[in-house]
Amino acid sequence: GAVVSQHPSRVICKSGTSVKIECRSLDFQATTMFWYRQFPKQSLMLMATSNEGSKATYEQGVEKDKFLINHASLTLSTLTVTSAHPEDSSFYICSARENRGSGNTIYFGEGSWLTVV
Amino acid sequence: GDSVTQMEGPVTLSEEAFLTINCTYTATGYPSLFWYVQYPGEGLQLLLKATKADDKGSNKGFEATYRKETTSFHLEKGSVQVSDSAVYFCALRVIYNQGGKLIFGQGTELSVKP
Repeated sequence: GAVVSQHPSRVICKSGTSVKIECRSLDFQATTMFWYRQFPKQSLMLMATSNEGSKATYEQGVEKDKFLINHASLTLSTLTVTSAHPEDSSFYICSARENRGSGNTIYFGEGSWLTVV
Repeated sequence: GDSVTQMEGPVTLSEEAFLTINCTYTATGYPSLFWYVQYPGEGLQLLLKATKADDKGSNKGFEATYRKETTSFHLEKGSVQVSDSAVYFCALRVIYNQGGKLIFGQGTELSVKP
């Protein structure tokens, strides 16, 4: 079946540095990918919708200059957390919508744990 | 490895019909189980969850029972409404040393017609 790969699965970075998380669709093309964040004991929060070849659409309250999203190809979207702070520590998960004529199949990555120290 | 399998969509029902969306899982540990819903144009929302065998999660008329013997967590609703039209995701989480990872099913699109 279709697979979405996230890398790294776990990362620790120092406060003030930037960290990049990759989301790849391994055997399908995805014009649209989604980035979510999950706070402890809460549901996933949609951060932004990433569209190949165009700017991402950010949800209200999400700082676009802090969470940079690039979707340069049909199989790769990246999320860069810039100038990370401890409050950015969280579980980040991406999903990708398979390009098909009909239906709405969305595949999720396994998530990335970010710890900012 | 850990995985979740959902029935394929789209599922199309008439209003007030009975809904079942099947979900089965495989897990190396003892997972918590979740159903998430994504309404058109919105992000995922947690619909219900169950953390141990025989627990029943319920919310907004939806129910799902954690069946360890059949490794299933089927979502049911007795009478669906047009407003229930959405994509539903079954998921599991197994807790490891530091946190756990969410494994999602592929999603099942539900369309309810008036």
